Order: sequence, then structure tokens, then C-alpha cells
Amino acid sequence: SAVISQKPSRDICQRGTSLTIQCQVDSQVTMMFWYRQQPGQSLTLIATANQGSEATYESGFVIDKFPISRPNLTFSTLTVSNMSPEDSSIYLCSVDGGANPGYTFGSGTRLTVV
Amino acid sequence: QKEVEQNSGPLSVPEGAIASLNCTYSDRGSQSFFWYRQYSGKSPELIMSIYSNGDQEDGRFTAQLNKASQYVSLLIRDSQPSDSATYLCAVRIRGQNFVFGPGTRLSVLP
Repeated sequence: SAVISQKPSRDICQRGTSLTIQCQVDSQVTMMFWYRQQPGQSLTLIATANQGSEATYESGFVIDKFPISRPNLTFSTLTVSNMSPEDSSIYLCSVDGGANPGYTFGSGTRLTVV
Repeated sequence: QKEVEQNSGPLSVPEGAIASLNCTYSDRGSQSFFWYRQYSGKSPELIMSIYSNGDQEDGRFTAQLNKASQYVSLLIRDSQPSDSATYLCAVRIRGQNFVFGPGTRLSVLP
């Protein structure tokens, strides 16, 4: 299965600022997925990032708040913009396993907004 | 509305016992079913997948699927303290993204 490098692993940010999270995959993948996991909660899909097209956002998530880039088939970024304490969460990128169905997740970014 | 439900737990079992984790889903179009294990502070890792009714075994893990009852379970035999984690059930409808359940926290007591 794919190996995903995600960074930063954690950060503490001031409210009103932005943070960009990067995910690098060791193989080419069509779609990359960005999830949020709030404390004690399950995974919520933010958006699906396809190379060469705009990301598809789930209900409750908008591009202005969570802009996503997907410049090639191995890399994607998620920016959390104009952060508030409510954005404190773990953010995870993932890819589909392809021949091995099921998602592989990056190591996650633990974001704390103060 | 697509929903996946799990008991949040914690489910406590003694070491060496069988841990039984349950999951129900609402969409009869669901075709693929997955169990993920998530240790505290870590990202989820896939441990089992199942696609057809019946049992799927891998080592100490057995996934069971009953589509008529819209029910999928995970059995962990000979539970070890290292199995203590949150277990997430995920369901996929063909062509669509995964829907994750809220997770069940398992505690295996030495």
C-alpha cells in the first residue's frame, strides 16, 4: 500500500492565522482525501482532491476556509485559513488503496489554535 | 442519510478473551466494509476488509458481515493489551467515499 508523508505533525497557531498541511505520497494516485478528526470524534471528510481539477468539498466545508492544492499525482496541500479555536483538530490526508482497497492515512497533523 | 453506528464503549475485556465489536449501517447499497484500528494520537490503520456475507479471517481477527441485517462485526481472539485502541467501522457504497462510524474504544485488561 502507499506510504504517505504528512507534515507538520503538530502545530500551535494564533487565531486569525493560516496553516498549510502537506501530504506527499510515494506513488501516483488519482484522488487524495482530506479528513478532520475532532477530539473524541470520528473522521469527517473535508474534501476530495483530484489532480487537475478543483477539489470537491463536503457539506459544511468551503474552499475559502479550506483551500486545497493538487499540483501533481503525488502531492497535495490543505490550508486552514483564518483559524479559530474551533479549528483545533487532527487533520489527516488519505489515499485509496487501489489494488488493496481501503484507505491509507498519513500520520496526521495535530492543530491547536489559541 | 448514510449512517454508520457503533457503540462508543469503552468495551473492556480481560486479556486472552474474545473482544466483539459491532457496527450497523443504514444504506443497503453499501458494498465494502472495513475495520480500522486507531491508537491514541495515531492515524487509523486498516486491519480488515470484507465484501460478502459470512466470515473473513486474518490471524486473530475475524470480520463478519450480514447484509440482510445490515450488520458487520469484528472479533478479536486472544485479546492482548496491545489491542487496546479505538476501532472504526467504515462502509463504502460503490463509487462513493467512505462513511466512518464513531468508533468503539476497546480496553484489554492484563
